[in-house]
Amino acid sequence: GDSVTQKEGLVTLTEGLPVMLNCTYQTIYSNAFLFWYVHYLNESPRLLLKSSTDNKRTEHQGFHATLHKSSSSFHLQKSSAQLSDSALYYCALSVTEGADRLTFGKGTQLIIQP
Amino acid sequence: EAAVTQSPRNKVAVTGGKVTLSCNQTNNHNNMYWYRQDTGHGLRLIHYSYGAGSTEKGDIPDGYKASRPSQENFSLILELATPSQTSVYFCASGDAWGGNQDTQYFGPGTRLLVL
Repeated sequence: GDSVTQKEGLVTLTEGLPVMLNCTYQTIYSNAFLFWYVHYLNESPRLLLKSSTDNKRTEHQGFHATLHKSSSSFHLQKSSAQLSDSALYYCALSVTEGADRLTFGKGTQLIIQP
Repeated sequence: EAAVTQSPRNKVAVTGGKVTLSCNQTNNHNNMYWYRQDTGHGLRLIHYSYGAGSTEKGDIPDGYKASRPSQENFSLILELATPSQTSVYFCASGDAWGGNQDTQYFGPGTRLLVL
């Protein structure tokens, strides 16, 4: 079946440094939609950004990601981390043939330190 | 903005007891979902629904039932709660277009402790 891998369970960075959270996926279907959800403490998970277009950069709230179908990757990046970026980040996959559901990765906890 | 509410927000249950978690959405979305969130496992899909009267098994349905009596409401039922079901449960709603899932909107979560 479909799967999403987030290699890092925990990433700790100093404020001002660049952020990169890894996401790779597996599916037999060519029409993949990839999502990043962010979950701040004591809030509901919410969509950060999404993409289905190969090799096109998608940006939102200072974060960006590019879907690369050749390498099945959708890494999340930000040029300069802020303390307020500390949260749990989920990568998720949807496919056209996939029963109206998302497949989530295990999540990456991002901690930004002063 | 989409609105998904859950009740109760916190629940303490005894082993072997019955627990019902409720979810309401005012987005008029066809699809609704129940997830549990555990450290090291992320969000895992328990049950989902395409509309009133429909329920489908997700990835970890064992020990859980679901009920979708209306477009707005989707319940998760633990008939015989066990300590392993201690978790944070999230409900979400969303729609699919062209066969692909659009944005899912999550509720605030229910913290369940089974003693």
